[in-house]
Order: sequence, then C-alpha cells, then structure tokens
Amino acid sequence: GAVVSQHPSWVICKSGTSVKIECRSLDFQATTMFWYRQFPKQSLMLMATSNEGSKATYEQGVEKDKFLINHASLTLSTLTVTSAHPEDSSFYICSLTGGRTEAFFGQGTRLTVV
Amino acid sequence: GQQVMQIPQYQHVQEGEDFTTYCNSSTTLSNIQWYKQRPGGHPVFLIQLVKSGEVKKQKRLTFQFGEAKKNSSLHITATQTTDVGTYFCGQGAQKLVFGQGTRLTINP
Repeated sequence: GAVVSQHPSWVICKSGTSVKIECRSLDFQATTMFWYRQFPKQSLMLMATSNEGSKATYEQGVEKDKFLINHASLTLSTLTVTSAHPEDSSFYICSLTGGRTEAFFGQGTRLTVV
Repeated sequence: GQQVMQIPQYQHVQEGEDFTTYCNSSTTLSNIQWYKQRPGGHPVFLIQLVKSGEVKKQKRLTFQFGEAKKNSSLHITATQTTDVGTYFCGQGAQKLVFGQGTRLTINP
C-alpha cells in the first residue's frame, strides 16, 4: 500500500496564530488527497478533498478561508489552520488511495490551541 | 452524501468474549470498507466488501455485507487485548464517509 507521512505529529499553538500541517505521499504520485478532522472519541469527518494543481473541494460547513489547502505537487498537500482558536483543537489526518480503493492514512496531527 | 449509521458506540467485553459492530444505510451501498484505529493511532484498512451477501474472514474477524447491500457487520470471535481500538465502517470511492465508530475495550 501507499506510504503516507504527516508532519508534525503534534503541535501546540497560541490562539490567533496559524499552523501548517504537511501530508506527503512517499511512494505514490497522488493527484488527490483527503483531509479529515477527528474530535476526541468521535468519528473522522471529511473536511476537504485536495486536488493537485487546482483548488481544494470543501465539505459543507468547512470554512475554506480558515482551513487553507495547498496541493502544489503530486507528493505534498498542506493544510493551514489560520487564526486558530481553542475550538480548532482536534486530530487532523490526511489520506490518499494510492490508486487503490482503500485509504491509506498519515499518522495524524494532534493540534492543541491554547 | 450517503450516511452510514454504526452501532454500538461503545462495547466493553471480557477477554475471550465475542464482539460485533453493525453499520446500516438507508440507501444501497456500492461497497463498504472496515478500518481499525488503535488508541492514539491512525485508521488502518481491514477489508472491503463489494458483493451482495459477501462474507470474508480474517482469522478471528468475520465481515459480512447484507443481501440488499444496505448493512454490514464485523464480528470478532474470542477477543484478545490486541483487538482494543475503534472500528469504523466507511463507504465511497476514494472519498470515504465513515460511520460513527465502535470503541472496543477489553477486560483482560
């Protein structure tokens, strides 16, 4: 399966600052990646579809200006949480399919906004 | 998009007991996938079911897809402490929509 590397694994930031999370496909050229958010003891909620070379597609209720997604190459997608607030504290995780049906996930990033 | 409802939300068992989680949809699913997420970890793919009435086994795990392709189940026989985690069903092609997950805890 595809190998997905996500960085950082955890981050603590001050309220009002921005945080960038990277998702790298190490062995597959991914035209599409997916970003999920998971609150404690809850399910994974799809935030957006990251498209290489074009705009991301956001799910209903997800603010595109707050969660900036850039997919500038076939191996890297970034999610920037802008002007983070404590309610943005969550587990953010990316995935790709690597040309197969099943999803391969990054290790996830635990964001804590203080 | 299509939603899948998953029950139960939590299940606590004694080691050695069986465990089952169920996913249900109001509409016909093209496929259903199952994932396991260990505490603090990321989801890991277990299996995909595509055919009506399909049953697949992985050692102590049995996966079923309903005849109408609207429901699915994961059954673990004789649970072990290594089975601890949250089990999610998901449906879709590439873009997955997940059920709420069933968190399994085990008393050794």
